[in-house]
Amino acid sequence: NAGVIQTPRHKVTGKGQEATLWCEPISGHSAVFWYRQTIVQGLEFLTYFRNQAPIDDSGMPKERFSAQMPNQSHSTLKIQSTQPQDSAVYLCASSLWGDGAETLYFGSGTRLTVL
Amino acid sequence: GDSVTQTEGPVTVSESESLIINCTYSATSIAYPNLFWYVRYPGEGLQLLLKVITAGQKGSSRGFEATYNKETTSFHLQKASVQESDSAVYYCALGPLNTENYKYVFGAGTRLKVIA
Repeated sequence: NAGVIQTPRHKVTGKGQEATLWCEPISGHSAVFWYRQTIVQGLEFLTYFRNQAPIDDSGMPKERFSAQMPNQSHSTLKIQSTQPQDSAVYLCASSLWGDGAETLYFGSGTRLTVL
Repeated sequence: GDSVTQTEGPVTVSESESLIINCTYSATSIAYPNLFWYVRYPGEGLQLLLKVITAGQKGSSRGFEATYNKETTSFHLQKASVQESDSAVYYCALGPLNTENYKYVFGAGTRLKVIA
């Protein structure tokens, strides 16, 4: 089991460009989470899916961020018109679906740098 | 709202000394959330260190311990004798926020440096 796979590991975009981040959850895990990590804010929840359906996207900046999970083997986080404040490490995690005590398995993250 | 507050780092401790990283939580949506400590070692991804799902119980792993105290809404992480290999960033977390929404909330993280 390769764990949660995130690609790319690093992405550099110019201000106003689009960035798409990919996540492959652990096979058999039905919950997928996206978090953003910065030095100032720490780990911020963005959104999560259960059985591919969006459950809670309350952490997503609505104007430019969107997330999808078209099938059980991958999820994408898309940021349109990237801004320097979007620079962060974006973490994807997956887990079994249970009672909220399930362990989250994190990927290594994608470091996004917006110039 | 729901939040986690933990010791602000960086924390520097000498090898073989004791360690405590404080964690307090606020869970307005659910009375007894599950509590977790995650750790990120240098060059590695975030991983579970320990978890406790029952108030009053203690969890332990790799020499670390944390007790779920519902009276003080705390979940402090302790170790009697740290090693250099414990140098990492530690995150306290809680979840779920209610019985229908299994969102997890993390603290800001505490960077620990253990010196020889």
